[in-house]
Order: sequence, then structure tokens, then C-alpha cells
Amino acid sequence: GIQVEQSPPDLILQEGANSTLRCNFSDSVNNLQWFHQNPWGQLINLFYIPSGTKQNGRLSATTVATERYSLLYISSSQTTDSGVYFCAAIRWAQKLVFGQGTRLTINP
Amino acid sequence: EAGVTQFPSHSVIEKGQTVTLRCDPISGHDNLYWYRRVMGKEIKFLLHFVKESKQDESGMPNNRFLAERTGGTYSTLKVQPAELEDSGVYFCASSQDLGGREQYFGPGTRLTVT
Repeated sequence: GIQVEQSPPDLILQEGANSTLRCNFSDSVNNLQWFHQNPWGQLINLFYIPSGTKQNGRLSATTVATERYSLLYISSSQTTDSGVYFCAAIRWAQKLVFGQGTRLTINP
Repeated sequence: EAGVTQFPSHSVIEKGQTVTLRCDPISGHDNLYWYRRVMGKEIKFLLHFVKESKQDESGMPNNRFLAERTGGTYSTLKVQPAELEDSGVYFCASSQDLGGREQYFGPGTRLTVT
């Protein structure tokens, strides 16, 4: 099955800094999604982005399908951005395969 | 349009007891999925319903877990008897059709087994 790897595993930044999270996947995908798991454990949909670039406020994501990676950008980080960020992909079966996550800590 | 809802948001039970989690998908979504994150590990797939039929249950850990989706609407996931290692967050997701469409996740149920 498809393998999904995220980097870095941990990222600690000061409020106001910018961050880039990376997701590599082992094969071509039909679906790639980014999520934010907040401190209460809830999983928030961020982007559905099997290819191309999307932006939503301070967040943007780019997937380069031919090179099998996706990037999540967070600009002007706020403490509320803290949590674990997951990417997940689907190749042929319908189940999302998740990466291990990047734990982001934004200090005031 | 209402999103995916899950109930309860948090459940604390003792080892050996039974717990039933409920998921209501987005209206009109035939596909319903269960995932879970245990012990701070990655989120893993449990099973997939298409309407009331189990399409893929390859991720179900053992026969203590039973999922149903009677009538093809809401789904329940029963854990009986619960073990300590079942603690974690259980997520439900739904999608409109197949072919890699976006899956919309509910807020999750945090299960704590003591």
C-alpha cells in the first residue's frame, strides 16, 4: 500500500513566524488531504488537494503530484495554530492512509 | 448543511465494559468511514460502509469491535468488552461518492478505558 511520511515530526516557533510542513507519498494518489488536530482532539479539515495550490486565509497548500509531495504553509503563526497536522492520501482503495503527523507548537 | 456529527464527544468507561459510539454522516453521503488514533500514534482506518454494506473492514483490530449501519444512515461502533489499549480518539468520516473524493471528518469521540 501507499506510504505517507511527514516532516518535521516536531516544530517549535514563535508567534508571528512562518512555517512549512512537508508530506511525501510513495505513489500517485487520487486524494490528498491536510488536517489539523486541535488540543481537544478534534480533526479539522484544512485542504483537499490532490494537485495544485489552494489558499485559505493564512494557510496555503501545494501538491506536486508528479514529484509525490505536498507542502502546507502557515504564515504569521498564532498560538491557536498549535496542534498536530496530518496529511493523508488515497491511491486505489477508499481508505485514507495518514502520515505520522507534525506537532506544531507556537509560543507567545 | 450540517457536517458529520459524533456522539458522545467523550466517554470514560472501565475495562470490561461496553461502549457504543455513534456517527451521523452528512446527508446524502453513501460512504461512511471509521478511523481511530490510539496512544498518540498515527490515525488508522477501521472500516468503510457503502450505504448499509461493509465495503472494507480490513482495519478492524479484533472481534471485540462491531460496526453497523442499519438503513444506510447513521452508524454505530460498539466495543465489547473494552480493553485499556482501546483508549484513543475515534473519528467518523463521510464522502459523497468513490474515486478519491474528499472525506469530511467529524469531531471525534475520545474514549478513555480505565
